[in-house]
Amino acid sequence: AQSVTQLDSHVSVSEGTPVLLRCNYSSSYSPSLFWYVQHPNKGLQLLLKYTSAATLVKGINGFEAEFKKSETSFHLTKPSAHMSDAAEYFCVVSAGTGNQFYFGTGTSLTVIP
Amino acid sequence: KAGVTQTPRYLIKTRGQQVTLSCSPISGHRSVSWYQQTPGQGLQFLFEYFSETQRNKGNFPGRFSGRQFSNSRSEMNVSTLELGDSALYLCASSGNLETQYFGPGTRLLVL
Repeated sequence: AQSVTQLDSHVSVSEGTPVLLRCNYSSSYSPSLFWYVQHPNKGLQLLLKYTSAATLVKGINGFEAEFKKSETSFHLTKPSAHMSDAAEYFCVVSAGTGNQFYFGTGTSLTVIP
Repeated sequence: KAGVTQTPRYLIKTRGQQVTLSCSPISGHRSVSWYQQTPGQGLQFLFEYFSETQRNKGNFPGRFSGRQFSNSRSEMNVSTLELGDSALYLCASSGNLETQYFGPGTRLLVL
């Protein structure tokens, strides 16, 4: 079975400080993992994905995530938050074939000026 | 390439009515998935179509149905609408590399 746990429902950071959004996963398979961002009243935009290549994955807008199998984690980080980063972030695990995605409950990121 | 498009973007219906939502995937993508997003339940998988066949189905009642056409466009239908069906309905398309690309969604309000 596949599942994702996002450990924080809300994260608040000051502009220019680092961002850490935490995600743990459970998967019966070698997982594919994704981070998506959703701005208010918008669809979901892909930030980055891990598919068993390099464990450190770089995404768009300065975000990156590290796959740690021993910890079953896939935390999202960014060195310096920008106001435009304020949004909802979703960690996703894929079951592989059939394209069924399992979403975490989301982390709302607030950036304080 | 054009992204995933969904129509209509907003919809207001009353209880008991039915509704049809449309999704046009990215050109060349053959897989289309549908999700329901609500504040209480988050993002929940409805179903996935690939080459006109339903390949996966989530845990939703039979009032929720879908189909896919030969050009990969997909529709989902909800019959006998309930207040709890008010949600953002997201469509996503996928090519060969598993990544799903999402449309802007259709916001459905049931009164």
